[in-house]
Amino acid sequence: AQSVTQLGSHVSVSEGALVLLRCNYSSSVPPYLFWYVQYPNQGLQLLLKYTTGATLVKGINGFEAEFKKSETSFHLTKPSAHMSDAAEYFCAVSEIGAAGNKLTFGGGTRVLVKP
Amino acid sequence: GAVVSQHPSRVICKSGTSVKIECRSLDFQATTMFWYRQFPKQSLMLMATSNEGSKATYEQGVEKDKFLINHASLTLSTLTVTSAHPEDSSFYICSARSGGHQLGPLHFGNGTRLTVT
Repeated sequence: AQSVTQLGSHVSVSEGALVLLRCNYSSSVPPYLFWYVQYPNQGLQLLLKYTTGATLVKGINGFEAEFKKSETSFHLTKPSAHMSDAAEYFCAVSEIGAAGNKLTFGGGTRVLVKP
Repeated sequence: GAVVSQHPSRVICKSGTSVKIECRSLDFQATTMFWYRQFPKQSLMLMATSNEGSKATYEQGVEKDKFLINHASLTLSTLTVTSAHPEDSSFYICSARSGGHQLGPLHFGNGTRLTVT
């Protein structure tokens, strides 16, 4: 079975500061890993994903994440926070080959950006 | 890009009535769609996997007779909450897989906020 843990349900950063959102996963097979962003009363938008190959993945809006197999982590970072980054972020895992490739989501991290 | 349209965005209904939520893939065909439920300040929990032309696969603990899923075409899946009760109030989100295979990207609808009074 697969699972995802996001450390910290809330993160507060100043505008221009580094954003770091932590995600650890467990999976019995090589995983696909995802980060999604959700704005209030909306669905999810894909920020980036790791499937195979390069472990440092760049996504939209200046975000990137690094897959570290030894640490079973997929932390999300952005060098400089913008006010528009205030949202909820979800890390998700999908096991390769799983029927339908279902996504399992972490608990989410709400990001607050202070001016 | 691929778009998933979910309707309605908000619905308020009285306890005991049924509510239907539609999920449409606008510019691609989706053999598989997923239905999620999200309680306030919580994560998304997968309710069921909807497969075109066959019965949906429900996650453990989800009542299939209460949450009826129909995936009658490659562009439409519906979720009907039957005999709704206040505890069914939640944010329901659908997603659809494009690309025609299991590894195709997932696209999410904007969700439906259901309030049962």
